[in-house]
Amino acid sequence: DAGVIQSPRHEVTEMGQEVTLRCKPISGHNSLFWYRQTMMRGLELLIYFNNNVPIDDSGMPEDRFSAKMPNASFSTLKIQPSEPRDSAVYFCASSRVNEQFFGPGTRLTVL
Amino acid sequence: AQSVTQPDIHITVSEGASLELRCNYSYGATPYLFWYVQSPGQGLQLLLKYFSGDTLVQGIKGFEAEFKRSQSSFNLRKPSVHWSDAAEYFCAVGARSNDYKLSFGAGTTVTVRA
Repeated sequence: DAGVIQSPRHEVTEMGQEVTLRCKPISGHNSLFWYRQTMMRGLELLIYFNNNVPIDDSGMPEDRFSAKMPNASFSTLKIQPSEPRDSAVYFCASSRVNEQFFGPGTRLTVL
Repeated sequence: AQSVTQPDIHITVSEGASLELRCNYSYGATPYLFWYVQSPGQGLQLLLKYFSGDTLVQGIKGFEAEFKRSQSSFNLRKPSVHWSDAAEYFCAVGARSNDYKLSFGAGTTVTVRA
């Protein structure tokens, strides 16, 4: 099994640009989670899906952030417009029950 | 809602010495408990988990953890630390429900000195 796949691994963009992060969960997993990790705030849950349906998006910082899961094998997290304070590592994780498997993360830098 | 406290932000240990990382949780019933490890520049890797049964659980890389209900704790231990164990360690708690969210602690950074 390839594990959770995230792309890109690194993204550098300028303030105001749209950023799209992608995630492919482990096959057969029915829950998907997006996290953000920063030195200041640690690991924060942004949103999670169960069977492709968003269940809890209370962690999404503001309307600039949106997430979709059009099918069981793909999810995106979009930031539009991006700001320097969005710089962080974004992780995707998937699970079948309670055990979450994390992807390698996308390191986002917004200049 | 469940929550986790990791009291130690940073621990330094000598190679070959024992290691214990503390984790205290808050939850109204018996939770699901996890320890994850994150090496620099990497994602989180599951070390071990407790769902039910034997309160002493064995994980990968020689780690073990003990669930103590009376103390609401799930401390992680390793008898002899290797330099490759230098990393950040996260304790997490999940509810026994259809809500599959995990609450993570702030993490403990472990430095291993030669």
